[in-house]
Amino acid sequence: SYELTQPPSVSVSPGQTANITCSGDKLGDKYACWYHQKPGQSPVLVIYKDDKRPSGIPERFSGSNSGNTATLTISGTQVIDEGDYYCQAWDSSSFYVFGTGTTVTVL
Amino acid sequence: QVQLVQSGAEVKKPGSSVKVACKASGGTFNNHAINWVRQGPGQGLEWMGTAIPAYGIANSAPKFQGRVTITADKSTSTVYMELSGLRSEDTATYYCAREFDALDIWGQGTLVIVSS
Repeated sequence: SYELTQPPSVSVSPGQTANITCSGDKLGDKYACWYHQKPGQSPVLVIYKDDKRPSGIPERFSGSNSGNTATLTISGTQVIDEGDYYCQAWDSSSFYVFGTGTTVTVL
Repeated sequence: QVQLVQSGAEVKKPGSSVKVACKASGGTFNNHAINWVRQGPGQGLEWMGTAIPAYGIANSAPKFQGRVTITADKSTSTVYMELSGLRSEDTATYYCAREFDALDIWGQGTLVIVSS
């Protein structure tokens, strides 16, 4: 089955840039998206089709996808950006696959 | 803007079944697929299956095939996910989510506790 691997945690200072990676075999050949989840809340889509932002998502969120790695970049990170981030891709054999998740801490 | 409203929390015995509802509020599902995703305590997201109410199509992840049934009632804009043969490892929050390029609208989640 298809697997997506993320670093367990990322720490960033307020106002700095956070990069969260997502690795999978030939991930660049698929569309990747990203979700943000705060404790006790439902996930929120922040990036779809590699680099598209849904309406209402701040411009500080951006994405890229090439080779075996997709990356979510949060520029000018704010405290409200803390939480868990999950990448996700669609695979013909595994259907929807989620990454292992990354906890972002802003301190 | 359509919202997805899920049924309330459930406590079930091992071996029994649970049926979780997901209703579109403020709109309909149109031709979109509705997916089910679960999250165990302190764990990540796990995709379970999907249904396209407009076409009566449903599919589930290999891990859940034979145990999960996803159905839809177009007249009430409600999708149901039934999980049978419950075991303690099925204790989780279950989410429905609309698919439009990605999972763009999520329900509030339904906590299912499996305990004897």
